[in-house]
Amino acid sequence: DIQMTQSPSTLSASVGDRVTITCRASQSISSWLAWYQQKPGKAPKVLIYKASSLESGVPSRFSGSGSGTEFTLTISSLQPDDFATYHCQQYNSFPYTFGRGTELEIK
Amino acid sequence: QVQVVESGGGVVQPGRSLRLSCAASGFTFSSNAMHWVRQAPGKGLEWVAVISYDGRNKYYADSVKGRFTISRDNSKNTVYLQMNSLRAEDTAVYYCARGEMATMGFIDYWGQGTLVTVSS
Repeated sequence: DIQMTQSPSTLSASVGDRVTITCRASQSISSWLAWYQQKPGKAPKVLIYKASSLESGVPSRFSGSGSGTEFTLTISSLQPDDFATYHCQQYNSFPYTFGRGTELEIK
Repeated sequence: QVQVVESGGGVVQPGRSLRLSCAASGFTFSSNAMHWVRQAPGKGLEWVAVISYDGRNKYYADSVKGRFTISRDNSKNTVYLQMNSLRAEDTAVYYCARGEMATMGFIDYWGQGTLVTVSS
């Protein structure tokens, strides 16, 4: 199975900051990576798919990059609504696997 | 709009069985793979199973293989998760979710989840 290592597990930041979350795959997954945002008590919502494609309706301050085994999610200027948990997921092969999540909290 | 609504969660004793259902609407159900993903309290997401658009292909996480069975009824726009030999570690919110393609592809829509608690 492909292991996804996500870092950091917690990130403290302020409104307006630029933040980056990293996800590493244990083997190459090409660009088959998605990023999800999840708020407490709610279902996840897809932000980015195929490593860098922005899902319709997602603000342009979110961006993704990477291929192979190294991926990043960047939020260019944090907004109050962005404080949430972020998950990466590989969909290169079954079983699909998620990173452990990054909780983005207000500094 | 796309909607998936889970049902069937509840409290069940270890070793017993439970069947979850997921009713979908707002899209051509028979064209998309369907997934189950779970989240234990305070933990991350764990992918559980997927079924292809036509029901022919099914894949499972190692943690549930041999105990859980995913199925679908395209005439009813419904996907199921039959969970047998339940364990305490199966306690989680179970999300039903749509795959963006017929078999592979990322998950693009999620239900709100149904809570399964395995406890004596």
